[in-house]
Amino acid sequence: GESVGLHLPTLSVQEGDNSIINCAYSNSASDYFIWYKQESGKGPQFIIDIRSNMDKRQGQRVTVLLNKTVKHLSLQIAATQPGDSAVYFCAEILMDSSYKLIFGSGTRLLVRP
Amino acid sequence: EAEVAQSPRYKITEKSQAVAFWCDPISGHATLYWYRQILGQGPELLVQFQDESVVDDSQLPKDRFSAERLKGVDSTLKIQPAELGDSAMYLCASSLLANTGELFFGEGSRLTVL
Repeated sequence: GESVGLHLPTLSVQEGDNSIINCAYSNSASDYFIWYKQESGKGPQFIIDIRSNMDKRQGQRVTVLLNKTVKHLSLQIAATQPGDSAVYFCAEILMDSSYKLIFGSGTRLLVRP
Repeated sequence: EAEVAQSPRYKITEKSQAVAFWCDPISGHATLYWYRQILGQGPELLVQFQDESVVDDSQLPKDRFSAERLKGVDSTLKIQPAELGDSAMYLCASSLLANTGELFFGEGSRLTVL
């Protein structure tokens, strides 16, 4: 398969453990945050989103936490599986006229069997 | 499950040549996006369409890049002439709503400029 990123921060976890991927954002005007998963050789895939009026949102095996005070976002994956191995990107939407989706830098998650 | 279709999957070209990428969004999705992803980085928006109209092309290098979506369905992204720095993955995405963070991406077109 094709490598998405060769020099990304990497998180290595044991299969079955919980994973926490962190993301910092800088723009106070950001109102909407999204996590994407990108497997090798594929396009990004939407995982979960959160609005700025919330501090936590849960999905299937995933939880996103938002701390607006320190401009920090995290994605928690419960009971990490080999299929979770991928690059994870946080993204934000600026609440200006363009409503543009801006991707941050990614984190590579490696799941050890 | 409906998918965003892109072609070609891979393209190798020499600098100064012209290249074109095609995208067919999910049926019914009025918003279409072209992103460029350099290895090791997150995708960067090049152009966004709402139906056949350009909503945002502020990051599109207009001296060499052009994009069109004539009938508001499929879209073409063209580069002429290609430069070495254009080597990247070109991703097309579509969404049902205009102001959403839930985009559906295709598998991308990998461009290598020699």
